[in-house]
Amino acid sequence: EAGVAQSPRYKIIEKRQSVAFWCNPISGHATLYWYQQILGQGPKLLIQFQNNGVVDDSQLPKDRFSAERLKGVDSTLKIQPAKLEDSAVYLCASSSTRGKGGNEQFFGPGTRLTVL
Amino acid sequence: AQSVTQLGSHVSVSEGALVLLRCNYSSSVPPYLFWYVQYPNQGLQLLLKYTSAATLVKGINGFEAEFKKSETSFHLTKPSAHMSDAAEYFCAVRRNFGNEKLTFGTGTRLTIIP
Repeated sequence: EAGVAQSPRYKIIEKRQSVAFWCNPISGHATLYWYQQILGQGPKLLIQFQNNGVVDDSQLPKDRFSAERLKGVDSTLKIQPAKLEDSAVYLCASSSTRGKGGNEQFFGPGTRLTVL
Repeated sequence: AQSVTQLGSHVSVSEGALVLLRCNYSSSVPPYLFWYVQYPNQGLQLLLKYTSAATLVKGINGFEAEFKKSETSFHLTKPSAHMSDAAEYFCAVRRNFGNEKLTFGTGTRLTIIP
């Protein structure tokens, strides 16, 4: 079974530029998550999708971040314009069933973003 | 709201020694608790989880953790450390119902001394 795929693995941009990350979850997983992991911290949930609908985006900085999952499969996360403090690893995860107790989230390798 | 506190951002142990990584949780409702491991330049991998069944949970790679409600703790242990255990370890909590949003601790970097 293929895992969660993410691209690119690394991205370097200058502040005020735009950037997009792509995630393809495990086949059949209805729930998809985007996390931001700043160096020295634990991952923080940015947005959670159930199929193509948003379940939780309470910690997504909506003035600059956007995410979509149009067909309920793969997803893109965009930052426009980027700030220095956006430098982080962006992790995508997926799980099979929403609301199931202790349902495991499977993580991709992440995209490391550096904003100069 | 739920939160976890990991005591010790860096832990070093000798190869073959006991590994103990500490995690305390705060939750207004019965929680589910998780330990994840992250190797350099990789995503997170689930080590084990507590979902209100047995309080002593066994995971992969010889790790285990015990849920202690009276101490609000979920410490991770391994009897004998291997060099391959060197990684970052994250404790996480979520509610046992509804939205399965995970809240992570700040992580503990484990170094194994040969």
